[in-house]
Amino acid sequence: GAVVSQHPSRVICKSGTSVKIECRSLDFQATTMFWYRQFPKKSLMLMATSNEGSKATYEQGVEKDKFLINHASLTLSTLTVTSAHPEDSSFYICSARDPQGDSNQPQHFGDGTRLSIL
Amino acid sequence: EDQVTQSPEALRLQEGESSSLNCSYTVSGLRGLFWYRQDPGKGPEFLFTLYSAGEEKEKERLKATLTKKESFLHITAPKPEDSATYLCAVRDSWSYQLTFGKGTKLSVIP
Repeated sequence: GAVVSQHPSRVICKSGTSVKIECRSLDFQATTMFWYRQFPKKSLMLMATSNEGSKATYEQGVEKDKFLINHASLTLSTLTVTSAHPEDSSFYICSARDPQGDSNQPQHFGDGTRLSIL
Repeated sequence: EDQVTQSPEALRLQEGESSSLNCSYTVSGLRGLFWYRQDPGKGPEFLFTLYSAGEEKEKERLKATLTKKESFLHITAPKPEDSATYLCAVRDSWSYQLTFGKGTKLSVIP
């Protein structure tokens, strides 16, 4: 089945540091990837949609200069949290769409990254 | 704007005690209602897709049903390993984006 790998699984760093999270589709080419943020006891909130070779589309209220998204290849998208502060601490999850895959599963999810900013 | 509301927020069951989780939704042109299981510190794991009212899907102890306004996830004779958060999401006719509910945290006590 389609596998999405997300790395790192956990990051702890100091305030002001920039952090990069990678999302890879291992056995398919993902034309579209999605980035979500999840707070405790809250739903997954879509942050942005990333299309290979073009600029990401950000949801309302998401700062594009704070959360930089790059989708340079069909198997890799990255999310960089720039100058991270404690309020950026959260669980970040990526997903990828396999255009050749089972339409019953529109997105395949990674295992998430727990970001903790001290 | 698509909306998904799940209830209850949390559910504790004794092993073997069957129950149901609810997902109410409003969406412009439903292109699929999805159920996922999420374990702590992990991403969502796909369970089912439902497309039209009256449709049902089953997998082991789980059965998902769909009406025009809501979906139910029925859990029959649950086991402790069924403990997880169950998420419901909808896709509308405009994009591949999913709108998620807040989930129901299920705890099955031995």
